[in-house]
Amino acid sequence: EAGVAQSPRYKIIEKRQSVAFWCNPISGHATLYWYQQILGQGPKLLIQFQNNGVVDDSQLPKDRFSAERLKGVDSTLKIQPAKLEDSAVYLCASSLDPGHSSGYTFGSGTRLTVV
Amino acid sequence: DAKTTQPNSMESNEEEPVHLPCNHSTISGTDYIHWYRQLPSQGPEYVIHGLTSNVNNRMASLAIAEDRKSSTLILHRATLRDAAVYYCILRDGVAGGTSYGKLTFGQGTILTVHP
Repeated sequence: EAGVAQSPRYKIIEKRQSVAFWCNPISGHATLYWYQQILGQGPKLLIQFQNNGVVDDSQLPKDRFSAERLKGVDSTLKIQPAKLEDSAVYLCASSLDPGHSSGYTFGSGTRLTVV
Repeated sequence: DAKTTQPNSMESNEEEPVHLPCNHSTISGTDYIHWYRQLPSQGPEYVIHGLTSNVNNRMASLAIAEDRKSSTLILHRATLRDAAVYYCILRDGVAGGTSYGKLTFGQGTILTVHP
């Protein structure tokens, strides 16, 4: 089975620029998550989708971050404008459903550096 | 969210068993105990999970205390490829709740394996 695909793998931008990340989850996985992982810390959940609807975006900084999952498959996460503190790895994960015993499958992430 | 406490780091020698402890004194009756690990430059990877009974799979064993307030992940013969950050996570098993199925990561334990 193919894993969770993310692109790009790396991105360097200047502060105040915009950036977008793309995620293609495992086929058939209804639940999709975006996490932010700052160096030296565990991943932090930003947003959870169930099919194409948002279940939880309580930790998403909505003044600059946005995410969508059109058609309930692929998802994009956007930052506009970026700040220095947004430098992190952005991880996408998917699961069959929120409580499925097989857990989440994570992609390899996009490493963002804001300079 | 229920919290877990893990040592910041542990060391092991190759081909020796490794016991990674986790304390979760505030665990509720519906929380599942999940373990994930994160290898360098990769997303987290599911290792094992359990509710009350000890569990074994091809990667590891999970020993759960009788009162469920602690657990231990056991790697039976550590290899260099097991060097990673190991996360112990409590996952809400109550369907429909706001925190259902969510994975909330802590700092984890950095495992170093010496040849």
